[in-house]
Amino acid sequence: DTEVTQTPKHLVMGMTNKKSLKCEQHMGHRAMYWYKQKAKKPPELMFVYSYEKLSINESVPSRFSPECPNSSLLNLHLHALQPEDSALYLCASSLGPRKGPSYEQYFGPGTRLTVT
Amino acid sequence: QKEVEQDPGPLSVPEGAIVSLNCTYSNSAFQYFMWYRQYSRKGPELLMYTYSSGNKEDGRFTAQVDKSSKYISLFIRDSQPSDSATYLCAMSGGRGSTLGRLYFGRGTQLTVWP
Repeated sequence: DTEVTQTPKHLVMGMTNKKSLKCEQHMGHRAMYWYKQKAKKPPELMFVYSYEKLSINESVPSRFSPECPNSSLLNLHLHALQPEDSALYLCASSLGPRKGPSYEQYFGPGTRLTVT
Repeated sequence: QKEVEQDPGPLSVPEGAIVSLNCTYSNSAFQYFMWYRQYSRKGPELLMYTYSSGNKEDGRFTAQVDKSSKYISLFIRDSQPSDSATYLCAMSGGRGSTLGRLYFGRGTQLTVWP
């Protein structure tokens, strides 16, 4: 089973709201990722958690706050977003950089976020 | 120059055609090469994964990697309308700044018409 699940599928929020995106995998993967994807563009890396520790933060604004409560779960907390943050937010997981040579990442279906 | 170059298309072919999709790259640290298929408004789905140079076949799909030329390809035989999607190449290295990161091409939009 190579399934990564994400909730919610769609989210509409105002600029003053606080919301969270959730991601879950049960493949025993130890690396989890958040990406942002705009229309007709490839996914852009936001954050990487490796063994539940934040290992990469791609200079993402502080209005995006990631959290990894355990090895199967990944959250992205959203606060005071801007309309330009509207995008498809993708979660992915992989076996983990230290468990090579398997580096392929498995993506979830995404959360389509609209900021009004 | 971007690290991964991919012609965005669009590419339109008749059903049954052989499709060739390609990417070039500049970073010699890349060792792991992937092809993803992404349907409209869905997440990318891993199609093929190859380590280092060589060929890999899975059903109608064949992935080729030529590290000496820094060139990777995906061939789709007997293409079907259900293959209509955007195809993203992605690659990763095993050390340094490339560790844990995927570097994507822009994606090629493919339409297979019946």
